[in-house]
Amino acid sequence: KAGVTQTPRYLIKTRGQQVTLSCSPISGHRSVSWYQQTPGQGLQFLFEYFSETQRNKGNFPGRFSGRQFSNSRSEMNVSTLELGDSALYLCASSLVVGQHEKLFFGSGTQLSVL
Amino acid sequence: QQQVKQSPQSLIVQKGGIPIINCAYENTAFDYFPWYQQFPGKGPALLIAIRPDVSEKKEGRFTISFNKSAKQFSLHIMDSQPGDSATYFCAASMNDKLIFGTGTRLQVFP
Repeated sequence: KAGVTQTPRYLIKTRGQQVTLSCSPISGHRSVSWYQQTPGQGLQFLFEYFSETQRNKGNFPGRFSGRQFSNSRSEMNVSTLELGDSALYLCASSLVVGQHEKLFFGSGTQLSVL
Repeated sequence: QQQVKQSPQSLIVQKGGIPIINCAYENTAFDYFPWYQQFPGKGPALLIAIRPDVSEKKEGRFTISFNKSAKQFSLHIMDSQPGDSATYFCAASMNDKLIFGTGTRLQVFP
């Protein structure tokens, strides 16, 4: 069974640009969560989608948005990039919302904003 | 506001030692406390977890100790090995949200 797949693996952008990250969950998983990982801050929750609907949202500005498609694949978009957005962005999937006992992470997308 | 405080930030032990990583939480509504292990270039993976009605849980060389009254829980790694070198995150769950600690980078030297 394939794991959670995130693309691209690395991204370099400049301030002011926008970026779209992609996540393909484990087959059969319908819940997809996104986290931002930075040194010293750990993992911070961005949002969670289930059946194409946002079910939970963290405390991030509106520049961070996401969506989920009918095949459960999810994308995350960050507009007007800032230097502080440089981070590892992790996607995780589970069968249903809040099933943290069965939460699987992808390897992440490392975003560098110059 | 950080709801889960993790310490230390980094830890160095020799092979065979017993590193201990501590976490403290504030909200008594948390009902699930997992630990994740992350190797460089990989995403975190669930290592072991505990619920607040249990004071200790062991899985192989990994043990969680849970103190409900103190609102603290810790991870102990028995007979640590160089292959245990990784970043460890504690977390706490409530209302379908998973709140992570800031992580502990563990290095185990031969």
